[in-house]
Amino acid sequence: GAGVSQSPSNKVTEKGKDVELRCDPISGHTALYWYRQSLGQGLEFLIYFQGNSAPDKSGLPSDRFSAERTGGSVSTLTIQRTQQEDSAVYLCASSLRSPSYANTGELFFGEGSRLTVL
Amino acid sequence: KQEVTQIPAALSVPEGENLVLNCSFTDSAIYNLQWFRQDPGKGLTSLLLIQSSQREQTSGRLNASLDKSSGRSTLYIAASQPGDSATYLCALNSGNTPLVFGKGTRLSVIA
Repeated sequence: GAGVSQSPSNKVTEKGKDVELRCDPISGHTALYWYRQSLGQGLEFLIYFQGNSAPDKSGLPSDRFSAERTGGSVSTLTIQRTQQEDSAVYLCASSLRSPSYANTGELFFGEGSRLTVL
Repeated sequence: KQEVTQIPAALSVPEGENLVLNCSFTDSAIYNLQWFRQDPGKGLTSLLLIQSSQREQTSGRLNASLDKSSGRSTLYIAASQPGDSATYLCALNSGNTPLVFGKGTRLSVIA
């Protein structure tokens, strides 16, 4: 596609429910990143994919968070048993090349998925 | 651990003024530095990417500089316009960590 696409743009859920957030990167971009932006905070790195592999999952805040990427394209971030502190904007980014997750190349971001946990 | 600081946190200027946004970092062993713009409720838009070997990059009214030895980058905006109002973030790749972001400078350009 022309840009990074994320869905849903807004999600309101009740505490304890599971949610899935989807990211469709720019076509041909092999590297994909998930970040979280909480109100008044900076961007927090969650996870990085090179192709379908996630070399480092240490940024995920708890074991309730998981992510997968299939076919080297679409990625899904799943949050199980949501808590109020999970409320944030979840941003996805992709880049054309990424020799390592510490050298991303130019990143292109989606519009984000705003999650509100009541 | 790389730390990125952006000062000031907020800035308000009259239209037409030239301005400089500052970004400082603690680990000078970087691969590259990127400046982004974020409008309220939106994602991030890449403005400029400076590779470690470069000193500056220019795009239109924007000029970004990089001084690794002092751990600083600046984003210069010439002839500011109300449409430039947004939050500007710097981020950089270094060491063995993913892209680290500053908390941004919120810019308001007053007509």
